Amino acid sequence: DGGITQSPKYLFRKEGQNVTLSCEQNLNHDAMYWYRQDPGQGLRLIYYSQIVNDFQKGDIAEGYSVSREKKESFPLTVTSAQKNPTAFYLCAGRRANTGELFFGEGSRLTVL
Amino acid sequence: GIQVEQSPPDLILQEGANSTLRCNFSDSVNNLQWFHQNPWGQLINLFYIPSGTKQNGRLSATTVATERYSLLYISSSQTTDSGVYFCAVAGNAGNMLTFGGGTRLMVKP
Repeated sequence: DGGITQSPKYLFRKEGQNVTLSCEQNLNHDAMYWYRQDPGQGLRLIYYSQIVNDFQKGDIAEGYSVSREKKESFPLTVTSAQKNPTAFYLCAGRRANTGELFFGEGSRLTVL
Repeated sequence: GIQVEQSPPDLILQEGANSTLRCNFSDSVNNLQWFHQNPWGQLINLFYIPSGTKQNGRLSATTVATERYSLLYISSSQTTDSGVYFCAVAGNAGNMLTFGGGTRLMVKP
């Protein structure tokens, strides 16, 4: 499956600025997810959405916000309240009949 | 929540060698996936295997759900197999994947 598209791939921001990461899918997945990965670590769940106009906090939601206005789109905003925003962010969609997750290529955010 | 532990954390192989990676989890699962993260960070799906055995070329995986573990076998390893291998599971109470800490594999020529 190659239908999860994340942009931008690399992003730099100054402290105190909000930034929005895009995640678009054309696989008709109902459920979508955002994960964060720090160097040398596994992935941790930030937010997920099981249906349009609904989303739930994951394990590390503080300092992040999401929206799900369309099935195809699940953008993540990293706000200035996030104390350690420098990380690799991965978006995923879930195949409904099996529960299998498929990931985009990721967005690498660096705060200067 | 469900706990996922992978072993070994690091592994260095000579090209052509075989290896076994292990994933232990703390509760019943309805989803278990193995991923390979390449040097560019992309997560590549290897297996969706909540139970049973599957094979894909030089790779195979077995999940023994009743004993709460899964194994990933890599045979005749190649340098392109290098990277990080993640096991991720979802428990019966939800469908959010919880990731293990990964096994970092380096295959030397």
